[in-house]
Amino acid sequence: EPEVTQTPSHQVTQMGQEVILRCVPISNHLYFYWYRQILGQKVEFLVSFYNNEISEKSEIFDDQFSVERPDGSNFTLKIRSTKLEDSAMYFCASSEVRESGELFFGEGSRLTVL
Amino acid sequence: QKEVEQNSGPLSVPEGAIASLNCTYSDRGSQSFFWYRQYSGKSPELIMFIYSNGDKEDGRFTAQLNKASQYVSLLIRDSQPSDSATYLCAVHSGGGADGLTFGKGTHLIIQP
Repeated sequence: EPEVTQTPSHQVTQMGQEVILRCVPISNHLYFYWYRQILGQKVEFLVSFYNNEISEKSEIFDDQFSVERPDGSNFTLKIRSTKLEDSAMYFCASSEVRESGELFFGEGSRLTVL
Repeated sequence: QKEVEQNSGPLSVPEGAIASLNCTYSDRGSQSFFWYRQYSGKSPELIMFIYSNGDKEDGRFTAQLNKASQYVSLLIRDSQPSDSATYLCAVHSGGGADGLTFGKGTHLIIQP
């Protein structure tokens, strides 16, 4: 069964460092997303991406965040200067259809900022 | 501010019984509604979606939607221990928006 894969599964970094989280969406999906979940909290939308540009971003997705599809398979989330409050599980998701809530999530990348 | 509210639980249900999970949402213009299951430490997994008022059944799961009351529910029949998880209600507002608004989830425990 096709799946969304994410790397790394866990990353520990120092405050102020740059982090790149990587995702390989399902191959025939065209819409890509990043969500995050702070421990014990709700899943929160960060950004959606289609046709090599951001479709929508939330208030959380400020200037320290960026997304990129550097090649035909990878989809990345970069956090330029990490803060303690960026510690969370980051989920990549993809869908076949735009404006669809039928998302396929990856297993997540746990980011710990010290 | 779009809100999705769920009782966090835990909701404890005996094996074989019906588990009933509820969700309310604040945005009256919301278009589509989703139930995701999340096991501890894992990612959300879509189990049901519903777009129209009424009931939608898929195996042991039934989703119910009442847009007038801004209320969504999920029934799980013949509950199994493997159904023990956190169930996340998610709402999509449509109208060009991509992101889902999730509730905090209801922790369901099925007692063998």
